[in-house]
Amino acid sequence: NAGVMQNPRHLVRRRGQEARLRCSPMKGHSHVYWYRQLPEEGLKFMVYLQKENIIDESGMPKERFSAEFPKEGPSILRIQQVVRGDSAAYFCASSPPGQGNGYTFGSGTRLTVV
Amino acid sequence: GENVEQHPSTLSVQEGDSAVIKCTYSDSASNYFPWYKQELGKRPQLIIDIRSNVGEKKDQRIAVTLNKTAKHFSLHITETQPEDSAVYFCAARYNFGNEKLTFGTGTRLTIIP
Repeated sequence: NAGVMQNPRHLVRRRGQEARLRCSPMKGHSHVYWYRQLPEEGLKFMVYLQKENIIDESGMPKERFSAEFPKEGPSILRIQQVVRGDSAAYFCASSPPGQGNGYTFGSGTRLTVV
Repeated sequence: GENVEQHPSTLSVQEGDSAVIKCTYSDSASNYFPWYKQELGKRPQLIIDIRSNVGEKKDQRIAVTLNKTAKHFSLHITETQPEDSAVYFCAARYNFGNEKLTFGTGTRLTIIP
């Protein structure tokens, strides 16, 4: 089992460009979560998805950010028209169906906006 | 929504001594409380968890206690070692039907050799 795979590990974008972050959950995991972590700070919830469904997007900024988890393929976190303040580590986690299961995190994508 | 507070934000402990990190949560319906360890530049990793029907759980040098009445839970690390140095996060799951975890702000633990 390869674990939660995130790519790219590092992403540099100029202001105004689009950033696309990918996450493949562990085999057998149908729940995906995205978190943002600023340097020296905690993990801020962004969105929780199941296949083809957004379950909770209460942590997503209203503009420029979107997420999907299609029937086939990885989950995608998309940030349009990036700004310097978007620079952060973005972690994806997955869990199996059922309740009370801990997450397994991916290695994260470190986004730098220049 | 759920709110999780974590203390202290930094903690320095002499090697071999014990470390205790405390968290409080706001929603009495929360029923699952994991702890994660994050080393510098790496992913958070689950180290121990506890469910609301259990008061204490232990795994070698690590233990977690839960007080549902007071809505707080704690991580205890005994016989600390240099490799325990990391940032530790507590988390709480709000309710059934939403598997989202709300994390505390983290505790940077430094073990002094």
